This record gives sequence, C-alpha cells and structure tokens, in this order.
Amino acid sequence: QKEVEQDPGPLSVPEGAIVSLNCTYSNSAFQYFMWYRQYSRKGPELLMYTYSSGNKEDGRFTAQVDKSSKYISLFIRDSQPSDSATYLCAMDKGSGYALNFGKGTSLLVTP
Amino acid sequence: EADIYQTPRYLVIGTGKKITLECSQTMGHDKMYWYQQDPGMELHLIHYSYGVNSTEKGDLSSESTVSRIRTEHFPLTLESARPSHTSQYLCASRAGQGAFEAFFGQGTRLTVV
Repeated sequence: QKEVEQDPGPLSVPEGAIVSLNCTYSNSAFQYFMWYRQYSRKGPELLMYTYSSGNKEDGRFTAQVDKSSKYISLFIRDSQPSDSATYLCAMDKGSGYALNFGKGTSLLVTP
Repeated sequence: EADIYQTPRYLVIGTGKKITLECSQTMGHDKMYWYQQDPGMELHLIHYSYGVNSTEKGDLSSESTVSRIRTEHFPLTLESARPSHTSQYLCASRAGQGAFEAFFGQGTRLTVV
C-alpha cells in the first residue's frame, strides 16, 4: 500500500466553482501536511501547510487535516483560470527525511 | 521565488552517452534531494544528501549517482543514458532540523533517444 494516495484526475471546473482536492495516507507518523502547486513546465511550490489536525485558511484556499481518518483536503473558493495547475499533497514525519508526495491532481478551471 | 537552479532545462541525448544534470542553491540549505517525476505518477525520491560528503539512495532504484562536494551544489550523473531514463528530474532543498518546506528547481526534462 502506498503511504499517500491521491486521485490524479484530471478535474475540470468552471470559473467561480468551489474545488475540493483530497489525499489519504496510511502512516500515522506524519505530522506536517502540505499542498504544493505545480504549473506546467515548472517545479512545485509550497501553497499551504498545516501541522497536525485542523483547518488553515489563506485567502481563497483552505487546508483541512483529519488525522483520525488519515484524510487531508484542500478547498479552493471562487476558482480562477490561473488556478489551473497540478496540486500535490505532501507529508512529513518531522524527522528531516524527504517528503512523501501524492501523484498530484491536475486541475483545469475554464473561463 | 526560490533560489535553486537546474540546468539544462531540456536535454535530448543519444543512448549510451554520459550526462550530468546540475543543481545549485544559494540558500545555504543542508538537505538536498533529487526526485523523478513521470506523468500521473508520484514524485519518486532517487537521491538525497544531508550535507557535504553525505549522499544516500532514495526509495526508487536508480542507475544515477550524485555527489555533494559543496553545500550549494548537488549534481546527478548518468554514466550511460538509456531510453528508460527519459523523465523529468526535479532537484529540491530544505533547511536544517525543523524546516519542512522543500524548495524546488524548475526541473530538467530528459529525453534519451
């Protein structure tokens, strides 16, 4: 079983829609939960992070972690065409080892 | 914007050639990583380094090698390129203990023909 599972999509939504992206994981040692955004032909960039369970909001983005269910989500409100990218979830045990990534979900927001 | 650079961005090379993918960062980060990324697949860790003269193989078996002679430089070498090495290679770095954010370069897209 892979430690991090993420549906690769693709996901296509109209501009203004609410987008929900999700990942599940199997390793309860993960403590830091991150979302990276990767535009075409670019490297991933950190979008949001949360430590342990809870919600975190940043503008139109909300990251949610439910450690009891081993489930994390990223919500995008009022989606824009500029949000079109691949979104990768990533997790860290806090031990300093490398991050564990999901496959990434390809999102297309159409005008 | 992250100060981590990869060269070349794109490379098309013949089978059997030796190639080196360059990665440099100016942030003074101790930890550096090489990932392989294929469409629809996870980023797979192929090499990592915790500091100068420290290199380890990652989770994904790779025929490449790396070196870390200077903090800022983490090159990846393929002694004899094969078509199966065709992929996107991403270099990343992180600061020391307690830092979780990884900064990525733009990637090198390698095609072996």
